Amino acid sequence: AQTVTQSQPEMSVQEAETVTLSCTYDTSENNYYLFWYKQPPSRQMILVIRQEAYKQQNATENRFSVNFQKAAKSFSLKISDSQLGDTAMYFCAFMKQNGATNKLIFGTGTLLAVQP
Amino acid sequence: DSGVTQTPKHLITATGQRVTLRCSPRSGDLSVYWYQQSLDQGLQFLIQYYNGEERAKGNILERFSAQQFPDLHSELNLSSLELGDSALYFCASSVEEAGRTHGYTFGSGTRLTVV
Repeated sequence: AQTVTQSQPEMSVQEAETVTLSCTYDTSENNYYLFWYKQPPSRQMILVIRQEAYKQQNATENRFSVNFQKAAKSFSLKISDSQLGDTAMYFCAFMKQNGATNKLIFGTGTLLAVQP
Repeated sequence: DSGVTQTPKHLITATGQRVTLRCSPRSGDLSVYWYQQSLDQGLQFLIQYYNGEERAKGNILERFSAQQFPDLHSELNLSSLELGDSALYFCASSVEEAGRTHGYTFGSGTRLTVV
């Protein structure tokens, strides 16, 4: 069974600084997807970034980028130039590719507070 | 607006009662997923439907059931409610092309409080 671990329950960063959130996962699969979702105080789940395991290039979306280390089963999220609106719970998630189901397996989340 | 519509947004009910949560997926998405988010259990996968058929079951209690209708909207039925069923229930939808996915789009959730 796949598991996703986020070892940082809470983090804090100053506005305009850079912060990195950690995520590790365990799987015997070779083909899969990894995601970071953001859940602000509104509770809406918002997709931040997506990575396909077969791609060696790290995904980037504006100020958000990942460091995907497949051998180490690590998938960290870097937020550059942090903004107050980045304050949220961040979830790392795993999805097996080409399985019978595309269910997402989530980590326990990291609560990020951006300080003014 | 994500395109996935969940109703109602909030629901308060008594123990032992039954409720129905409704979800309309994003236009074109055939898959619907239900997740439960509680403080102690995190985000737990409940069940998935694809084009009207059940595709996968997760940690869904026997007191809970779901279905997906021909128009692709889905309903999650929760019965004999207990205090521990209080949680945020999310619906999500996705489009799947040749085994590939772009991830889910989530609805805004239904906050269920059992008193």
